[in-house]
Amino acid sequence: RKEVEQDPGPFNVPEGATVAFNCTYSNSASQSFFWYRQDCRKEPKLLMSVYSSGNEDGRFTAQLNRASQYISLLIRDSKLSDSATYLCVVFKSGGSYIPTFGRGTSLIVHP
Amino acid sequence: GAVVSQHPSRVICKSGTSVKIECRSLDFQATTMFWYRQFPKQSLMLMATSNEGSKATYEQGVEKDKFLINHASLTLSTLTVTSAHPEDSSFYICSALKTGRPYNEQFFGPGTRLTVL
Repeated sequence: RKEVEQDPGPFNVPEGATVAFNCTYSNSASQSFFWYRQDCRKEPKLLMSVYSSGNEDGRFTAQLNRASQYISLLIRDSKLSDSATYLCVVFKSGGSYIPTFGRGTSLIVHP
Repeated sequence: GAVVSQHPSRVICKSGTSVKIECRSLDFQATTMFWYRQFPKQSLMLMATSNEGSKATYEQGVEKDKFLINHASLTLSTLTVTSAHPEDSSFYICSALKTGRPYNEQFFGPGTRLTVL
């Protein structure tokens, strides 16, 4: 089993739709969790961190479920500009701060 | 957010030559930097963790003698691809870890696209 797994998609949705991505991780001692967004041929950019209590930033909501070892990202009212690859990043515990990336989920928002 | 620069942004070289890529954290000090490689339509693959003042830690399958990493200061790490071959052609991205509360955060450089002819 890979350390961090994501459905590569693509998720093809119309503007205005709500779409959700999941990411599972195998190391139960993982410490920190993030969602990054990567546009084609560009570097990843931080979208949001993920906490057990959940966090929301505008149209984006991230959740962490430690018991089931997955994190989720919900995007409401999708915009064309949301089209990108969304990367799940998990940092190992123990202070080493080694990040592990999922392969990313591709989102295509169409008119 | 913090700024990380990478230079050069694009390089084309002949097979057998060596290429050096620089990664700089411009507005914070980074004890730890990471080097990634990304092939088309694939995920970022961590190559190595670069620690200031000590040897880099390489991921399994990454040749340390081929990919030389130097992290001589708190704001600069370099990756040298030695004796590059066409299969080394890829998108190389660095990131710098900014420690702080409530969490540590990594900031990515814009990447270097290497093409080996």
